[in-house]
Amino acid sequence: QSALSQPPSASGSPGQSVTISCTGTSSDIGGYNYVSWYQQHPGKAPKLMIYEVSKRPSGVPYRFSGSKSGNAASLTVSGLQAEDEADYHCSSYAGSNIVIFGGGTKLTVL
Amino acid sequence: EVQLVESGGGLVKPGGSLRLSCAGSGFSFSNAWMSWVRQAPGKGLEWVGRFKSKADGGTTDYAAPVRGRFTISRDDSKDTVYLQMNSLKTEDTAVYYCTTGHCDSTSCHWDDAFDVWGQGALVTVSS
Repeated sequence: QSALSQPPSASGSPGQSVTISCTGTSSDIGGYNYVSWYQQHPGKAPKLMIYEVSKRPSGVPYRFSGSKSGNAASLTVSGLQAEDEADYHCSSYAGSNIVIFGGGTKLTVL
Repeated sequence: EVQLVESGGGLVKPGGSLRLSCAGSGFSFSNAWMSWVRQAPGKGLEWVGRFKSKADGGTTDYAAPVRGRFTISRDDSKDTVYLQMNSLKTEDTAVYYCTTGHCDSTSCHWDDAFDVWGQGALVTVSS
């Protein structure tokens, strides 16, 4: 199983919206509605932001939303804030009890 | 407070072995599926493997790069999961996190949504 594909970087100004893509195949993203997104600040452990494509765990701001179309998933951060600057990682269940991640996207708030 | 605390990281020579431990608290450890995820310096996250709860079969699965070299075990009496790493390669250098899944009102997402993470243990494989 190859890693999911994410753009290495993304950016936006405070208050704007930014969307990060995550591309896989029919064997992972396209085959299951089990896509998750994680936020990771430098030197910290990842934090779950989205699961099952579009669900938010308790405590995650509504500004974070997820979607999926075919073999690709997206994370949208609306109303960008300075504290949103971090690395974002997508993941997908890939069948046969295997999980795969993307390479991560560094989000910069300009 | 729900918490995972790793220990056992360090410097090891190629071909050597190392064992990481991860102690859980604040949740029902015996019912949890415990996973290991690693992150090489400057790289993305990589799933390493997982140990299902005994109630769900108690089986393990591993990512291809570590299969046959790494072994995950657990001691529910100590609320601890272990990662035994043998035949280590330089490309195994990474921060290793133990983690477990997210449970909502309807189900637990053991394999697709990692909600509780340890602080990470740095493993450096170098001569």
